[in-house]
Amino acid sequence: AQTVTQSQPEMSVQEAETVTLSCTYDTSESNYYLFWYKQPPSRQMILVIRQEAYKQQNATENRFSVNFQKAAKSFSLKISDSQLGDTAMYFCAFTGGNNNDMRFGAGTRLTVKP
Amino acid sequence: EAQVTQNPRYLITVTGKKLTVTCSQNMNHEYMSWYRQDPGLGLRQIYYSMNVEVTDKGDVPEGYKVSRKEKRNFPLILESPSPNQTSLYFCASSLLMGLAGGNKGDTQYFGPGTRLTVL
Repeated sequence: AQTVTQSQPEMSVQEAETVTLSCTYDTSESNYYLFWYKQPPSRQMILVIRQEAYKQQNATENRFSVNFQKAAKSFSLKISDSQLGDTAMYFCAFTGGNNNDMRFGAGTRLTVKP
Repeated sequence: EAQVTQNPRYLITVTGKKLTVTCSQNMNHEYMSWYRQDPGLGLRQIYYSMNVEVTDKGDVPEGYKVSRKEKRNFPLILESPSPNQTSLYFCASSLLMGLAGGNKGDTQYFGPGTRLTVL
């Protein structure tokens, strides 16, 4: 069964600095999809970035980028120029192959300090 | 506005009293899903539906029922709620996740969440 692990329950970063959140996963599938979702205090789940496993190029969305290492089954999220509004829970998620379910990690609580 | 709606947003109930949490999406999405979120466990999938009248169990289906009689609606039913079902619940939808068995990995759009407390 696929599993997703986020080993950092909490992190903090100073405003304007860069922070990297880690995520590892376990799967025997060759084609799959990985996501990072942000959950601010409002509890709304917001998609940050999506990566397709067969694409070697790392996905980027403005200040957010990923480091996708398929062989190592690692999918880290880098946030550049951190802003106070980036304070949130961040969840890594996986879906793939012929399975139609979706697996989430336990989350990393990120605090951006002024 | 494209959205996923859930009702109620907050619910306090007692053990054994049947309840339904409604979920509706206006994006003509094939795939719908229910999750529960608990501290330290992230989101865990309860049930999902690939299309009308097609539902499958997720990781934690015990104590829950779902139905998909219409494409836009996917209610979550707790026939006899217990305190261990106290949680934050999310409904989500996306374009067809699987086509002839293949997973397309489309982005899921989430509802605002339902905070359920079972006393």
